Amino acid sequence: AQSVTQPDIHITVSEGASLELRCNYSYGATPYLFWYVQSPGQGLQLLLKYFSGDTLVQGIKGFEAEFKRSQSSFNLRKPSVHWSDAAEYFCAVGAHGGTASKLTFGTGTRLQVTL
Amino acid sequence: DAGVTQSPTHLIKTRGQQVTLRCSPKSGHDTVSWYQQALGQGPQFIFQYYEEEERQRGNFPDRFSGHQFPNYSSELNVNALLLGDSALYLCASSKPPGLYEQFFGPGTRLTVL
Repeated sequence: AQSVTQPDIHITVSEGASLELRCNYSYGATPYLFWYVQSPGQGLQLLLKYFSGDTLVQGIKGFEAEFKRSQSSFNLRKPSVHWSDAAEYFCAVGAHGGTASKLTFGTGTRLQVTL
Repeated sequence: DAGVTQSPTHLIKTRGQQVTLRCSPKSGHDTVSWYQQALGQGPQFIFQYYEEEERQRGNFPDRFSGHQFPNYSSELNVNALLLGDSALYLCASSKPPGLYEQFFGPGTRLTVL
């Protein structure tokens, strides 16, 4: 069974500083990997996804993530954080095969941005 | 282009009652998944519906059931509510072959007293 670990529950960064949110996954084969963002009281918005190919993927809002098979990681990065980036971030993994497409999420990292 | 919509936004029930939550998928999508998000946790997969059939189910008891209608909209039913069922219930829609690119609705906040 697949699983996702987000080691950082809460991260605080200053506006304009760089950001890296960690994500480690457990899955027997090459997984589908995702990062979602959730603002308070809102649903989830897809930031970016990795299915195959180039291990550095670009997403919306200036985010990028790098898939590292050897480390079972898919860390999210942004070079310069904006105050509007304050939200909860979830990493998710999808399993191949079958007729369904269950996503397994981590417990999330809450990002606080100081001005 | 309407996204995923869910109703109601908020709901308060008491233990033992039954509840029905509703979801309309994004235009063009035919697959609906339901997730439960407890406070401070990530979403957990409940089940997925495609062609009006349950395709996959997560680790949830039979008290949780669902239905998909011919117009692809879906309902989540929970019987015999427990305090622990209090959560944000998220609906996500997708369309083959991009089943994993799931678009989420704003959720229904269920409080069980």
